[in-house]
Amino acid sequence: AQSVTQLDSHVSVSEGTPVLLRCNYSSSYSPSLFWYVQHPNKGLQLLLKYTSAATLVKGINGFEAEFKKSETSFHLTKPSAHMSDAAEYFCVVSDYTSNTGKLIFGQGTTLQVKP
Amino acid sequence: DAGITQSPRHKVTETGTPVTLRCHQTENHRYMYWYRQDPGHGLRLIHYSYGVKDTDKGEVSDGYSVSRSKTEDFLLTLESATSSQTSVYFCAISALDRGTGNTIYFGEGSWLTVV
Repeated sequence: AQSVTQLDSHVSVSEGTPVLLRCNYSSSYSPSLFWYVQHPNKGLQLLLKYTSAATLVKGINGFEAEFKKSETSFHLTKPSAHMSDAAEYFCVVSDYTSNTGKLIFGQGTTLQVKP
Repeated sequence: DAGITQSPRHKVTETGTPVTLRCHQTENHRYMYWYRQDPGHGLRLIHYSYGVKDTDKGEVSDGYSVSRSKTEDFLLTLESATSSQTSVYFCAISALDRGTGNTIYFGEGSWLTVV
């Protein structure tokens, strides 16, 4: 069965410092992995997507993630946090066992950015 | 913007009443999904559709039904609302992105409170 584990429920950083949000996955197949961001009272916005074309994936707003098969990880990083990055972030794997593109979500990581 | 519109965006209803949430898309995507989001549970799939009149259950389908009579509309119905169905409901579509395969995009959400 496929699953996603976000290792931190809450991360706090100061503005201008690096961001690291950790995600481990479990999948019997070559996975498609995603990071979504959700600002308060808003829908989910796609940050970036991994589909085996390149292990380092660049997304919007300066975020990137690196797929490491040996570690089954897909951590999200950003060199310098901005106040507007404060939000909830979801690591997601696509469930290909059903061939419907259904998503399996991690529990989410709340990112707090302090001035 | 994946052309997804949810209605109503906010609703308060009484226990035992029927409620229908509507998802409308403008780009003829085949796959549509209904998720609910609750604290501590992330997003969980309720039902999905893979074409007109073709639907299937997700992991939390009890108490919900869906219908898709047209490609563009996917309706979620709570036949008799309960307080446990107080949640935020997200509609999503699966779109084929050139070069990267299928990506799921979300609507802005419908906030439902059952009192």
